[in-house]
Amino acid sequence: QSVLTQPPSVSGAPGQRVTISCTGSSSNIGAGYHVHWYQQLPGTAPKLLIYGNSIRPSGVPDRFSGSKSGTSASLAITGLQAEDEADYYCHSYDSSLSGPVFGGGTKLTVL
Amino acid sequence: QVQLVESGGGVVQPGRSLRLSCAASGFTFSAYAMHWVRRAPGRGREWVAVISYDDGSNQYYADSVKGRFTISRDNSKNTLFLHMDSLRAEDTAVYYCARQMTTVTSPFDSWGQGTLVTVSS
Repeated sequence: QSVLTQPPSVSGAPGQRVTISCTGSSSNIGAGYHVHWYQQLPGTAPKLLIYGNSIRPSGVPDRFSGSKSGTSASLAITGLQAEDEADYYCHSYDSSLSGPVFGGGTKLTVL
Repeated sequence: QVQLVESGGGVVQPGRSLRLSCAASGFTFSAYAMHWVRRAPGRGREWVAVISYDDGSNQYYADSVKGRFTISRDNSKNTLFLHMDSLRAEDTAVYYCARQMTTVTSPFDSWGQGTLVTVSS
C-alpha cells in the first residue's frame, strides 16, 4: 500500500486530455512539501516530468502540467499522443516517515 | 550526459547477502546525495536509503531495511553501493539508484534503469 494514492490506470484517445491524481495526507502533501511527477516508459529509466508541483524541466513539452491543492496533486496531459503511453507516478516527502514517499503509479493507455 | 547504471542483481536465497552497484557518469558524483528506490512486483515504489553528498557521512534508511541494508559510496570510482544482508522474500524488487537535487525534499532528477533482485529458495 503506497503512502500516496493514485488511480491504477487512466485512458484517453489521441488528442484528448487526461488527469492523474495523487492523494496524500497532512504529513506529506498537506504539510506543504512539493510534489514531483515521473514518467516511466516500458523498459526505460524513470524520467522527471514535473517538479516543485508545477515546474517542467527543460525539454518536457508544455502538454504536461502539474498542480497541487491541499492534500492532493494532479498531473494533466493534453493533446494525448501514442508515445505518452507509460507509467506515471508522484513523489513527495513525508515528515512522519522522514523520507521520500511515492504513489503506486498510474498506467496511461492511449486508445 | 548524466548516466546511472545499476548492476549486481540476481537470484539469492533467503537469509543470504547481495551487493548492488550503481556506476555514475556525466556529472560530479560527489556533489549529489544518492538514493536507492525499489519497486516490488505489483506494488508501488518504495524508498530504501539515502547517502549524503561529499563524504557520505550521513545515511538514512526505510524502517523495512534498517539494520539489514547498508548504503555507501566511493567517490573516487563514481560508484554507489547497496549492501543487502539477511534478505527476505519481500525484498524481491527492481532496485533503482537515483540522484537527488539540492535538498531532502527535492526531486530525483536522474535514475538508472534498475537491477532485479529475486529472493527465493
